[in-house]
Amino acid sequence: EIVLTQSPGTLSLSPGERATLSCRASQSVSSSALAWYQQKPGQAPRLLISGASTRATGIPDRFSGSGSGTDFTLTISRLEPEDFAVFYCQQYGTSPYTFGQGTKLEIK
Amino acid sequence: QLQLVESGGGVVQPGRSLRLSCAASGFTFTKYSFHWVRQAPGKGLEWVAVISSDGRTKYFADSVRGRFTISRDDSQNTLYLQMNSLRAEDTAVYYCAGQIATGYWGQGTLVTVSS
Repeated sequence: EIVLTQSPGTLSLSPGERATLSCRASQSVSSSALAWYQQKPGQAPRLLISGASTRATGIPDRFSGSGSGTDFTLTISRLEPEDFAVFYCQQYGTSPYTFGQGTKLEIK
Repeated sequence: QLQLVESGGGVVQPGRSLRLSCAASGFTFTKYSFHWVRQAPGKGLEWVAVISSDGRTKYFADSVRGRFTISRDDSQNTLYLQMNSLRAEDTAVYYCAGQIATGYWGQGTLVTVSS
């Protein structure tokens, strides 16, 4: 099983700042099959990025994904108030399709 | 309008069974694989199972393998999760989701396993 470790656990930033979230895999993720999700309380997760770097439909271009192999990054270039939430990475290249434990992005 | 709507959740005793359904509309159901993902109260996301677009390939998380079954009825545009031998640790909101890159997710159905 591929274990995904997200860091930091909690990130405290202000609107307008840049956020950098990390997702590290215990072994190489096949074909860059790495997705990022945002989840707000009481809501289903929302897909932000798939294929490590492809933005989903309707996702603002301040969200970007990068990385390959075992190291992946989600960057939010300039935080808006609605961006604060919990973020998860998921690898879907090798079953079981595991999730990271999440990074909580909170308002400083 | 694109929709995935889960149903079938509820309170069930340990050891009993439950079947979840996920009704799809607004897109071509047969084109995609589908997943079940769960989230225990206050916890993170846990992937549960996937079924291929042709229904022939299925994978499961270690925590549910041998107890849960995933299936699909393309004539009804519906995905199922049959859950047997339920345990307290299966308590969670269960989401159905389309093939990863689609971003299609339902709103979830709560399953509570308790005596």
